[in-house]
Amino acid sequence: ILNVEQSPQSLHVQEGDSTNFTCSFPSSNFYALHWYRWETAKSPEALFVMTLNGDEKKKGRISATLNTKEGYSYLYIKGSQPEDSATYLCAFPAPNAYSGAGSYQLTFGKGTKLSVIP
Amino acid sequence: ETGVTQSPTHLIKTRGQQVTLRCSSQSGHNTVSWYQQALGQGPQFIFQYYREEENGRGNFPPRFSGLQFPNYSSELNVNALELDDSALYLCASSDPTSGVLNEQFFGPGTRLTVL
Repeated sequence: ILNVEQSPQSLHVQEGDSTNFTCSFPSSNFYALHWYRWETAKSPEALFVMTLNGDEKKKGRISATLNTKEGYSYLYIKGSQPEDSATYLCAFPAPNAYSGAGSYQLTFGKGTKLSVIP
Repeated sequence: ETGVTQSPTHLIKTRGQQVTLRCSSQSGHNTVSWYQQALGQGPQFIFQYYREEENGRGNFPPRFSGLQFPNYSSELNVNALELDDSALYLCASSDPTSGVLNEQFFGPGTRLTVL
């Protein structure tokens, strides 16, 4: 059973603060790591798919780093805004045991719920 | 490009009943995965369909079953509902061409309540 852990479980920050949270995952049999952003009453939306050790990806004020050797990824938000309030999920893909064709299943962490206070 | 849609949005059933949830995949995606998110948990993989065949299954009992149709839309069926089946059910579609590099595109979910 794969174990994907996220911390903290929830976070309250003031508008303008920068923040970060952690995802830890198995360091063996690593394929990739996915980050999703999930606003209340909406669909989870992919932020990043990270594959290489030392990888850093950025989308606006949000960035993520990856350490596959020690099995963790950090998500950073610079200058948090109220619209950043959401649950941030990381997910570890593993190929399906069936016919494949590139198919995989995601094992998710429980998420970090971020609330940005105006 | 139409995104992933799910119906219904909410559903209330009683123990022992059966339920069918529906999902329309994003245009061009032939793979649909279903996840269950119970309260306080991350989404858990139920199963996946690729070209109308089951293509992977998580740790869920056989009373959870599915179908995929030629247009790649999908159904999740749950028989003999139990109280613990109360959860948000998410479906996600993907194009498996690039394997794990491909993100999955999620619908907004169906909230099932079992009384």
